[in-house]
Amino acid sequence: NAGVTQTPKFQVLKTGQSMTLQCAQDMNHNSMYWYRQDPGMGLRLIYYSASEGTTDKGEVPNGYNVSRLNKREFSLRLESAAPSQTSVYFCASSDFAGGLFDEQFFGPGTRLTVL
Amino acid sequence: AQSVTQLDSQVPVFEEAPVELRCNYSSSVSVYLFWYVQYPNQGLQLLLKYLSGSTLVKGINGFEAEFNKSQTSFHLRKPSVHISDTAEYFCAVTANNAGNMLTFGGGTRLMVKP
Repeated sequence: NAGVTQTPKFQVLKTGQSMTLQCAQDMNHNSMYWYRQDPGMGLRLIYYSASEGTTDKGEVPNGYNVSRLNKREFSLRLESAAPSQTSVYFCASSDFAGGLFDEQFFGPGTRLTVL
Repeated sequence: AQSVTQLDSQVPVFEEAPVELRCNYSSSVSVYLFWYVQYPNQGLQLLLKYLSGSTLVKGINGFEAEFNKSQTSFHLRKPSVHISDTAEYFCAVTANNAGNMLTFGGGTRLMVKP
């Protein structure tokens, strides 16, 4: 099993450009998450999808959109990138299905720089 | 809503010495607690978790943590660290009303010196 995979690994954008970060998991998990990691702030939740066909905002959703394409894939889109979106982005998945807490499994991350 | 405070941003320690990384949380409901480790340029890996039962939780790589409800703490300990333990460590919390959404602390960078 590959677990959680993310593409690309690195990306440099200019202010105003758009891009989509891709995430896929092969563990048949219901829930998927997008986080950003900034120095000293830990990880902050951008959006999550509790199940296929549903998405909800997390702590820092402004400037982002998501799509849960199917059970395996959850993409994050930046429509008009800003320097404040320079960060490392992590996708995660878990088997949470309403009441049974368990760990989240993380991808290797995408390092994004916006100039 | 939950919050997590990791009291030390950096902890330097010599190899084979014991270490404690501190984590305090706040929540108005029962919580579930996790410690994750992040090695340089990698994703996060679960070290251990507290969901219920014994308050002393053992994880991978010789780490353990104790859930203390009265002090709202979940400190991580290892009796003897190795160079390979150099990494960033994150404490995280979720709760019954949080839908398995994790709230993370700011992280503690453990630096093991020879």
